[in-house]
Amino acid sequence: SQKIEQNSEALNIQEGKTATLTCNYTNYSPAYLQWYRQDPGRGPVFLLLIRENEKEKRKERLKVTFDTTLKQSLFHITASQPADSATYLCALVQAGTALIFGKGTTLSVSS
Amino acid sequence: EPEVTQTPSHQVTQMGQEVILRCVPISNHLYFYWYRQILGQKVEFLVSFYNNEISEKSEIFDDQFSVERPDGSNFTLKIRSTKLEDSAMYFCASSEQQGVNEQYFGPGTRLTVT
Repeated sequence: SQKIEQNSEALNIQEGKTATLTCNYTNYSPAYLQWYRQDPGRGPVFLLLIRENEKEKRKERLKVTFDTTLKQSLFHITASQPADSATYLCALVQAGTALIFGKGTTLSVSS
Repeated sequence: EPEVTQTPSHQVTQMGQEVILRCVPISNHLYFYWYRQILGQKVEFLVSFYNNEISEKSEIFDDQFSVERPDGSNFTLKIRSTKLEDSAMYFCASSEQQGVNEQYFGPGTRLTVT
C-alpha cells in the first residue's frame, strides 16, 4: 500500500525566511497530492492541491511542487510569520476517496 | 463560510459502552468521511459514505463501527463496545465530489475511553 514520509518531524525557522517541507511517497504516483494545515487540537484545513501534470502551484505565500520522477512534493512558505506555526500534512488518495496522510512536519516560526 | 460541525467536542466513556459521535457536513456536499487521530500519531482514514451507503472503509473500521445518515443533515459514527485503544480524536469531513477534491474537516470529537 502507499506510504507517505514527511522526513522532518520539526522545523524551526526565523520570521521572514522561507520554510521548505518535504513529502515523499512510495509505490505508484498519485494523480494528485494535497497539503493541509493542522493546529493543535483542531481538524486539518485544506491548503493546496497539485495534480500530476502540474509542476508547481501557488497560492499567496504558499508554493507546492510535485516531482513524479522523484516521488516527492515540496511545500514552501515564503516570508514566514509566527502565525504560520502549525503542523503541515501531506495527503494523497490511495484508492477511491480515502485520504492517506503523512505524520506531518511541525513548523515553528520565531520572531 | 460554511463549515463542518461536530458534537460533542469531548466524550468520556467507560470501556464496553456504546458511543455515538455526531457530525453535520457542509450542506451541498455529497461525500462524507470519518477519520481518527490517536494522540501524537497521524490522521487515519476510517470510512467514506455516499448516497446512503459506505463507499470505502479501512481495516480499522471493523464490526464494532457503523455509520449512518439518519436525516438530511446529520452523519453519525457509532462505536458499539468501546475499547481503551479507541481513545482518539475523531474527525468528520465532507467534500463536494469524489476524486480530485479537497475535504473539509470538522473540529473533531475527543473520545476518552476509561
